[in-house]
Amino acid sequence: EAAVTQSPRNKVTVTGGNVTLSCRQTNSHNYMYWYRQDTGHGLRLIHYSYGAGNLQIGDVPDGYKATRTTQEDFFLLLELASPSQTSLYFCASSDGGYNYAEQFFGPGTRLTVL
Amino acid sequence: GDSVTQTEGQVALSEEDFLTIHCNYSASGYPALFWYVQYPGEGPQFLFRASRDKEKGSSRGFEATYDKGTTSFHLRKASVQESDSAVYYCALGDLDNNNAPRFGAGTKLSVKP
Repeated sequence: EAAVTQSPRNKVTVTGGNVTLSCRQTNSHNYMYWYRQDTGHGLRLIHYSYGAGNLQIGDVPDGYKATRTTQEDFFLLLELASPSQTSLYFCASSDGGYNYAEQFFGPGTRLTVL
Repeated sequence: GDSVTQTEGQVALSEEDFLTIHCNYSASGYPALFWYVQYPGEGPQFLFRASRDKEKGSSRGFEATYDKGTTSFHLRKASVQESDSAVYYCALGDLDNNNAPRFGAGTKLSVKP
């Protein structure tokens, strides 16, 4: 069973603050993703990666940076957080070609920017 | 760009009702289509996928048929239970353009006993 963990599970910060969301997967998947989930918008892709050191831009990348340090670890960075980034963030991983393979999601991180 | 449209934002049913959640897509390449389910407080879970015209995917009593002619992948279940209450997401992966999957806006299903 694929295991994807996220930390922290909840985070509150202030406008202009610096936030790092962490994701780790333990099933040797090549592909990892960051999504944000908002009512009325579903899951929107922020960044994704197909291996350590690789980064691809998703659909809503503004205000976010990401870094894939190892096959297991994928980080999402908000360097100047804004209230519009208040959301539920999900990390996911998949094996093989990411168009066809099922994704395994973590439990989510709820971020509030005051 | 590629996109997925789910018509219903919310669906309210009673137990044993028939369920249909509509999913239509727009893609320039050769999309694979997926359904995911998300229970409260959890991340989405894969239900099933299809990648060829007329291919049927199914799991846990849910099913959907890939229809290239109508660009649809509608989710159906013959008899829903209260435990099916969740948010359902249709997703599209484009095999040709090698992009990450894109999700629809989701449909919240509420089933009353």
